[in-house]
Amino acid sequence: DAGVTQSPTHLIKTRGQQVTLRCSPISGHKSVSWYQQVLGQGPQFIFQYYEKEERGRGNFPDRFSARQFPNYSSELNVNALLLGDSALYLCASSLAGWGSNEQFFGPGTRLTVL
Amino acid sequence: AQSVTQLDSQVPVFEEAPVELRCNYSSSVSVYLFWYVQYPNQGLQLLLKYLSGSTLVKGINGFEAEFNKSQTSFHLRKPSVHISDTAEYFCAVSEDNAGKSTFGDGTTLTVKP
Repeated sequence: DAGVTQSPTHLIKTRGQQVTLRCSPISGHKSVSWYQQVLGQGPQFIFQYYEKEERGRGNFPDRFSARQFPNYSSELNVNALLLGDSALYLCASSLAGWGSNEQFFGPGTRLTVL
Repeated sequence: AQSVTQLDSQVPVFEEAPVELRCNYSSSVSVYLFWYVQYPNQGLQLLLKYLSGSTLVKGINGFEAEFNKSQTSFHLRKPSVHISDTAEYFCAVSEDNAGKSTFGDGTTLTVKP
C-alpha cells in the first residue's frame, strides 16, 4: 500500500507570494494533520481535519488555511509568505484522528521563501 | 496545555554502546506518548508508542521506552546501537480528544565507529 504522499517535494517562493501544498493520506484514513518543522526544531501543529471538518488548529496566523476534500486528500495554503515561513511542511494521516491513533507522516514539502 | 522537553539536544555514542534519550512531558490530563525517528530529508517514522498498560514499551529496531507517570518521563533506550541509528529522534505527546501531537525539539543521536 502507498504511504502518505505530498507534493511538491521542494518549492521556492518569494516574500508576499502564496503557496499551496498537497497531501494524499493512506487509503482508509479519514484524518489529516499538517505540521511545520523549522530547521533544528520539532514539528509544530498547524491543522487537523477529519471528515472534511476542521478539528483542531494550532497557534498560526490566519495566513495559513487548509481544507480536506471528499476523497480525504488535503491542501495547505499559505498567503503573503514571510521569510520565517521557510520550513519543512509535514502531512500526517491517521484512521480517525484521535490522540491514540498512530500518525503516518509523509516525506514533507521543503518550502524556501526568498 | 501540554509540553515536551527533550533533555539532550545531541548525544554522541560509540557503536555497540547503550544509549538513553531522555524525554519529560507535562499535561493536565492523561496522555499518549510516542517516539519518532527522522532520517535526513525524510518524514517521521514511529519507533514506539505508549497508550496504556505495561509501562515498558518495545518498538522497532531494538528500541524500548519506559513510561514513568510520577516523574512524567518517557525515556528511550537501546542496549547496543549501530551506525545506522544515527538520526534525529523526537518525543511527542497527544491527548485523547485531540489528534494533534506536541513534539519536543529533538535529540540528534550520532553513532561513531
